[in-house]
Amino acid sequence: QKEVEQNSGPLSVPEGAIASLNCTYSDRVSQSFFWYRQYSGKSPELIMSIYSNGDKEDGRFTAQLNKASQYVSLLIRDSQPSDSATYLCAVNGNNDMRFGAGTRLTVKP
Amino acid sequence: GAVVSQHPSWVICKSGTSVKIECRSLDFQATTMFWYRQFPKQSLMLMATSNEGSKATYEQGVEKDKFLINHASLTLSTLTVTSAHPEDSSFYICSAEGQSNQPQHFGDGTRLSIL
Repeated sequence: QKEVEQNSGPLSVPEGAIASLNCTYSDRVSQSFFWYRQYSGKSPELIMSIYSNGDKEDGRFTAQLNKASQYVSLLIRDSQPSDSATYLCAVNGNNDMRFGAGTRLTVKP
Repeated sequence: GAVVSQHPSWVICKSGTSVKIECRSLDFQATTMFWYRQFPKQSLMLMATSNEGSKATYEQGVEKDKFLINHASLTLSTLTVTSAHPEDSSFYICSAEGQSNQPQHFGDGTRLSIL
């Protein structure tokens, strides 16, 4: 069983829609959770961090964490073509960060 | 804040050459630095983890004698690809972590092409 799982996609949404990206993890002692965005040919860029259960909003992005279900998600409101990228979920527990394989998002104009 | 600088951005060299890539944390002290490799359309692959002043920990399947990692200070780690061959051509990315449970911050990556 993979430690951090994401649907590889591609996930395609129309411009202006909400994009929902999901991630599950296997290590119950995980303490910190991150979402990175990676454009093609570029390195990953941190876009959200979340440490406690519930929602955390930053502009058009909302991260949701449910530790009981071992689930973290990222919502992108009013999706733009510039949001088209691969989104990586990262989970840190016991000083060991693990990345998911990423979900490729395409926002169509 | 949390800027990581990686140089060079591009390297093109002949087979058999050794290539050194530098990774610097510019505005924080990195207790741990990480080196990744990414082939086109594939996931990030962790190669090794390094802590300042100690030997790097390599992932299974990564040759430590081929990929030499030095982490001499809290702001600098280097990766040397020794006697590089065409199959070593890839996108190499470093990241740095300031404190445990904090995010990793990535450099811009180095695209290595071995002819």
